[in-house]
Amino acid sequence: EAGVAQSPRYKIIEKRQSVAFWCNPISGHATLYWYQQILGQGPKLLIQFQNNGVVDDSQLPKDRFSAERLKGVDSTLKIQPAKLEDSAVYLCASSLQGQGDGYTFGSGTRLTVV
Amino acid sequence: ELKVEQNPLFLSMQEGKNYTIYCNYSTTSDRLYWYRQDPGKSLESLFVLLSNGAVKQEGRLMASLDTKARLSTLHITAAVHDLSATYFCAVGYFGNEKLTFGTGTRLTIIP
Repeated sequence: EAGVAQSPRYKIIEKRQSVAFWCNPISGHATLYWYQQILGQGPKLLIQFQNNGVVDDSQLPKDRFSAERLKGVDSTLKIQPAKLEDSAVYLCASSLQGQGDGYTFGSGTRLTVV
Repeated sequence: ELKVEQNPLFLSMQEGKNYTIYCNYSTTSDRLYWYRQDPGKSLESLFVLLSNGAVKQEGRLMASLDTKARLSTLHITAAVHDLSATYFCAVGYFGNEKLTFGTGTRLTIIP
Protein backbone atom coordinates (compact mmCIF):
# COMPACT_ATOMS: atom_id res chain seq x y z
CA GLU A 1 0.00 0.00 0.00
CA ALA A 2 1.47 3.32 -1.03
CA GLY A 3 1.71 5.89 1.73
CA VAL A 4 0.64 9.51 1.87
CA ALA A 5 2.63 11.47 -0.71
CA GLN A 6 3.61 15.09 -0.17
CA SER A 7 5.60 17.57 -2.18
CA PRO A 8 7.80 19.46 -2.08
CA ARG A 9 9.91 18.17 0.82
CA TYR A 10 11.50 21.54 1.47
CA LYS A 11 10.67 25.10 0.53
CA ILE A 12 12.37 28.40 1.34
CA ILE A 13 10.55 31.62 0.50
CA GLU A 14 10.71 35.25 1.46
CA LYS A 15 8.00 36.79 3.60
CA ARG A 16 5.01 38.09 1.66
CA GLN A 17 5.57 35.51 -1.08
CA SER A 18 3.07 32.74 -1.75
CA VAL A 19 3.62 28.98 -1.56
CA ALA A 20 1.60 25.84 -2.22
CA PHE A 21 1.90 22.32 -0.91
CA TRP A 22 0.46 19.17 -2.44
CA CYS A 23 -0.80 15.96 -0.83
CA ASN A 24 -2.02 12.68 -2.27
CA PRO A 25 -3.61 10.47 0.40
CA ILE A 26 -3.75 6.70 0.59
CA SER A 27 -6.15 5.32 -2.00
CA GLY A 28 -9.64 4.95 -0.61
CA HIS A 29 -9.08 7.18 2.41
CA ALA A 30 -12.02 9.56 2.54
CA THR A 31 -10.64 11.82 5.25
CA LEU A 32 -7.65 14.09 4.70
CA TYR A 33 -5.98 16.43 7.19
CA TRP A 34 -3.43 19.19 7.09
CA TYR A 35 -1.44 19.77 10.27
CA GLN A 36 1.09 22.46 11.07
CA GLN A 37 4.03 21.49 13.28
CA ILE A 38 6.15 24.35 14.56
CA LEU A 39 9.60 23.36 15.75
CA GLY A 40 9.48 21.92 19.26
CA GLN A 41 5.68 21.60 19.34
CA GLY A 42 3.07 18.99 18.61
CA PRO A 43 1.16 19.08 15.34
CA LYS A 44 -1.87 21.37 15.20
CA LEU A 45 -4.81 20.68 12.91
CA LEU A 46 -5.36 23.30 10.23
CA ILE A 47 -8.14 21.70 8.18
CA GLN A 48 -9.98 18.41 7.85
CA PHE A 49 -11.71 17.22 4.67
CA GLN A 50 -14.26 14.45 4.30
CA ASN A 51 -14.18 13.56 0.61
CA ASN A 52 -14.22 17.03 -0.99
CA GLY A 53 -16.06 18.80 1.83
CA VAL A 54 -14.55 20.72 4.74
CA VAL A 55 -15.33 19.21 8.15
CA ASP A 56 -13.24 21.48 10.35
CA ASP A 57 -11.23 24.56 9.47
CA SER A 58 -11.62 26.40 12.74
CA GLN A 59 -7.86 26.80 13.25
CA LEU A 60 -7.01 27.75 9.68
CA PRO A 61 -5.88 31.40 9.40
CA LYS A 62 -8.25 32.12 6.58
CA ASP A 63 -6.84 35.56 5.82
CA ARG A 64 -3.73 33.91 4.41
CA PHE A 65 -4.24 30.15 4.26
CA SER A 66 -6.50 28.27 1.87
CA ALA A 67 -6.95 24.61 1.06
CA GLU A 68 -8.93 22.60 -1.42
CA ARG A 69 -9.67 19.01 -2.27
CA LEU A 70 -11.65 19.40 -5.45
CA LYS A 71 -12.15 15.78 -6.54
CA GLY A 72 -12.05 14.21 -3.11
CA VAL A 73 -8.59 12.78 -3.67
CA ASP A 74 -5.50 14.96 -3.62
CA SER A 75 -5.32 18.30 -1.88
CA THR A 76 -3.40 21.55 -1.97
CA LEU A 77 -2.65 23.95 0.87
CA LYS A 78 -1.70 27.51 -0.01
CA ILE A 79 -0.26 30.37 1.99
CA GLN A 80 -0.49 33.89 0.60
CA PRO A 81 1.19 36.04 1.77
CA ALA A 82 3.59 34.11 4.00
CA LYS A 83 4.79 35.43 7.34
CA LEU A 84 7.90 34.52 9.30
CA GLU A 85 5.76 32.67 11.86
CA ASP A 86 4.52 30.32 9.15
CA SER A 87 7.90 28.57 9.22
CA ALA A 88 6.97 25.00 10.16
CA VAL A 89 6.53 21.49 8.85
CA TYR A 90 3.20 20.97 7.12
CA LEU A 91 2.01 17.43 7.52
CA CYS A 92 -0.72 15.79 5.51
CA ALA A 93 -2.49 12.71 6.85
CA SER A 94 -5.34 10.50 5.76
CA SER A 95 -7.65 7.94 7.35
CA LEU A 96 -10.59 5.71 6.65
CA GLN A 97 -13.64 7.35 8.14
CA GLY A 98 -14.36 6.32 11.72
CA GLN A 99 -11.93 3.44 11.76
CA GLY A 100 -10.47 4.50 15.07
CA ASP A 101 -7.01 3.33 14.21
CA GLY A 102 -5.52 6.73 13.67
CA TYR A 103 -3.93 8.24 10.68
CA THR A 104 -1.13 7.66 8.25
CA PHE A 105 1.05 10.74 8.01
CA GLY A 106 3.02 11.88 5.01
CA SER A 107 6.67 12.86 5.28
CA GLY A 108 5.79 16.55 5.45
CA THR A 109 6.93 19.75 3.78
CA ARG A 110 9.40 21.86 5.72
CA LEU A 111 8.73 25.55 5.04
CA THR A 112 11.21 28.25 5.94
CA VAL A 113 10.11 31.86 5.56
CA VAL A 114 12.98 34.38 5.58
CA GLU B 1 -11.00 23.65 24.92
CA LEU B 2 -9.19 20.34 25.05
CA LYS B 3 -5.66 20.53 26.43
CA VAL B 4 -3.16 17.70 26.28
CA GLU B 5 -0.06 17.89 28.43
CA GLN B 6 2.91 15.60 28.54
CA ASN B 7 5.66 15.32 31.06
CA PRO B 8 8.48 15.39 31.12
CA LEU B 9 9.20 17.51 28.06
CA PHE B 10 12.77 16.29 27.95
CA LEU B 11 14.10 13.00 29.23
CA SER B 12 17.67 11.81 29.19
CA MET B 13 18.18 8.31 30.47
CA GLN B 14 20.81 5.63 30.48
CA GLU B 15 20.54 2.45 28.53
CA GLY B 16 19.01 -0.37 30.52
CA LYS B 17 16.91 1.88 32.75
CA ASN B 18 13.13 2.07 33.00
CA TYR B 19 11.06 5.21 32.78
CA THR B 20 7.52 6.46 32.20
CA ILE B 21 6.13 9.32 30.11
CA TYR B 22 2.82 10.79 31.25
CA CYS B 23 0.01 12.23 29.14
CA ASN B 24 -2.84 14.14 30.80
CA TYR B 25 -5.84 15.53 28.97
CA SER B 26 -8.50 17.93 30.12
CA THR B 27 -11.82 16.61 28.76
CA THR B 28 -13.45 13.23 28.27
CA SER B 29 -12.14 11.25 25.34
CA ASP B 30 -12.66 7.75 24.04
CA ARG B 31 -9.34 7.14 22.35
CA LEU B 32 -5.70 7.91 22.94
CA TYR B 33 -2.86 7.56 20.48
CA TRP B 34 0.91 7.41 20.87
CA TYR B 35 3.22 8.44 18.05
CA ARG B 36 6.96 8.44 17.60
CA GLN B 37 8.85 11.06 15.60
CA ASP B 38 12.52 10.83 14.67
CA PRO B 39 14.38 14.06 13.84
CA GLY B 40 13.38 15.38 10.44
CA LYS B 41 10.89 12.56 9.94
CA SER B 42 7.14 12.20 10.01
CA LEU B 43 5.05 10.62 12.75
CA GLU B 44 4.89 6.86 13.19
CA SER B 45 1.88 5.35 14.93
CA LEU B 46 2.78 3.25 17.98
CA PHE B 47 -0.41 2.51 19.88
CA VAL B 48 -4.14 3.16 19.82
CA LEU B 49 -5.93 2.83 23.17
CA LEU B 50 -9.70 2.64 22.90
CA SER B 51 -11.07 1.87 26.35
CA ASN B 52 -10.49 2.41 30.03
CA GLY B 53 -7.84 0.07 31.34
CA ALA B 54 -6.50 -0.70 27.88
CA VAL B 55 -2.88 -1.83 27.82
CA LYS B 56 -0.79 -2.45 24.75
CA GLN B 57 2.82 -3.55 24.47
CA GLU B 58 5.30 -3.64 21.63
CA GLY B 59 8.86 -4.60 22.42
CA ARG B 60 10.21 -2.38 25.19
CA LEU B 61 7.26 0.02 25.07
CA MET B 62 3.99 -0.38 26.94
CA ALA B 63 1.08 2.06 26.87
CA SER B 64 -1.91 2.21 29.18
CA LEU B 65 -5.05 4.32 29.49
CA ASP B 66 -7.08 5.44 32.51
CA THR B 67 -10.04 7.37 31.14
CA LYS B 68 -11.35 8.23 34.60
CA ALA B 69 -8.10 9.93 35.53
CA ARG B 70 -7.72 11.25 31.95
CA LEU B 71 -4.22 9.85 31.98
CA SER B 72 -2.17 7.69 29.67
CA THR B 73 1.33 6.41 30.29
CA LEU B 74 4.07 5.18 28.00
CA HIS B 75 6.47 2.95 29.89
CA ILE B 76 9.93 2.18 28.60
CA THR B 77 11.62 -0.96 29.84
CA ALA B 78 15.38 -1.46 29.68
CA ALA B 79 15.90 1.43 27.29
CA VAL B 80 18.14 1.05 24.24
CA HIS B 81 19.63 3.77 22.06
CA ASP B 82 17.22 3.04 19.18
CA LEU B 83 14.36 4.37 21.29
CA SER B 84 15.77 7.90 21.18
CA ALA B 85 13.05 10.02 19.54
CA THR B 86 10.25 12.43 20.37
CA TYR B 87 7.06 10.78 21.60
CA PHE B 88 3.65 12.40 21.24
CA CYS B 89 0.33 11.44 22.71
CA ALA B 90 -2.84 12.56 20.95
CA VAL B 91 -6.48 12.54 21.97
CA GLY B 92 -9.39 11.82 19.65
CA TYR B 93 -13.05 10.90 19.57
CA PHE B 94 -14.98 8.14 17.82
CA GLY B 95 -16.60 9.40 14.64
CA ASN B 96 -14.38 12.47 14.49
CA GLU B 97 -10.82 11.67 13.67
CA LYS B 98 -9.49 15.10 14.58
CA LEU B 99 -6.55 14.68 16.95
CA THR B 100 -5.25 17.07 19.57
CA PHE B 101 -1.57 16.45 20.21
CA GLY B 102 0.44 16.85 23.35
CA THR B 103 3.58 18.90 23.61
CA GLY B 104 5.85 15.93 23.01
CA THR B 105 8.58 14.29 25.09
CA ARG B 106 12.06 14.32 23.66
CA LEU B 107 13.74 11.13 24.81
CA THR B 108 17.49 10.67 24.61
CA ILE B 109 19.03 7.34 25.56
CA ILE B 110 22.64 7.60 26.68
CA PRO B 111 24.91 4.58 26.23
